[in-house]
Amino acid sequence: NAGVTQTPKFRVLKTGQSMTLLCAQDMNHEYMYWYRQDPGMGLRLIHYSVGEGTTAKGEVPDGYNVSRLKKQNFLLGLESAAPSQTSVYFCASSRPGLAIRETQYFGPGTRLLVL
Amino acid sequence: KNEVEQSPQNLTAQEGEFITINCSYSVGISALHWLQQHPGGGIVSLFMLSSGKKKHGRLIATINIQEKHSSLHITASHPRDSAVYICAVRRDSNYQLIWGAGTKLIIKP
Repeated sequence: NAGVTQTPKFRVLKTGQSMTLLCAQDMNHEYMYWYRQDPGMGLRLIHYSVGEGTTAKGEVPDGYNVSRLKKQNFLLGLESAAPSQTSVYFCASSRPGLAIRETQYFGPGTRLLVL
Repeated sequence: KNEVEQSPQNLTAQEGEFITINCSYSVGISALHWLQQHPGGGIVSLFMLSSGKKKHGRLIATINIQEKHSSLHITASHPRDSAVYICAVRRDSNYQLIWGAGTKLIIKP
């Protein structure tokens, strides 16, 4: 199993450009998450999904959109990139169930630089 | 004030030393996670705790629910333990985790 994969690994954008980050998991997990990680700060949840066709806002959703058309894929879109969106983006997935059993599995991250 | 606080922020130690990283939180939780982020960026879950103590190899994690505090210990530390260690707690009531900012650990040979 590949686990959680992210595409691309690194991207440079100009302000105002758009792009989509792809997350794929092959563990048949129901829950998927998009986080951003900035220096000196903990991971911050952007959006999450508890199942195919469902999405919900996390802590810092502004400027991002997501879609979960297939259970195994969770897409993060930036419609008009801004320098404040320069960050490392992590996707994660987990099974549903009691919190005590819920481990999140992370992708390798995507480094995004917005000029 | 952050709901999850880790200390220290940075820790440098010599190989072989006993390492302790602390995590304090201010909300009601159903579980606490310790994760390791490698220098290359990958994040791996180490432990999930709701009470007591867990051990895996040279890593030991403890939690005191009454004091809202958890510790991660590393015995016989090694340079390959150098990483950022992250504490995250799950609130009682929703799917989301609240993340600490991480502790950057460097073990010198």
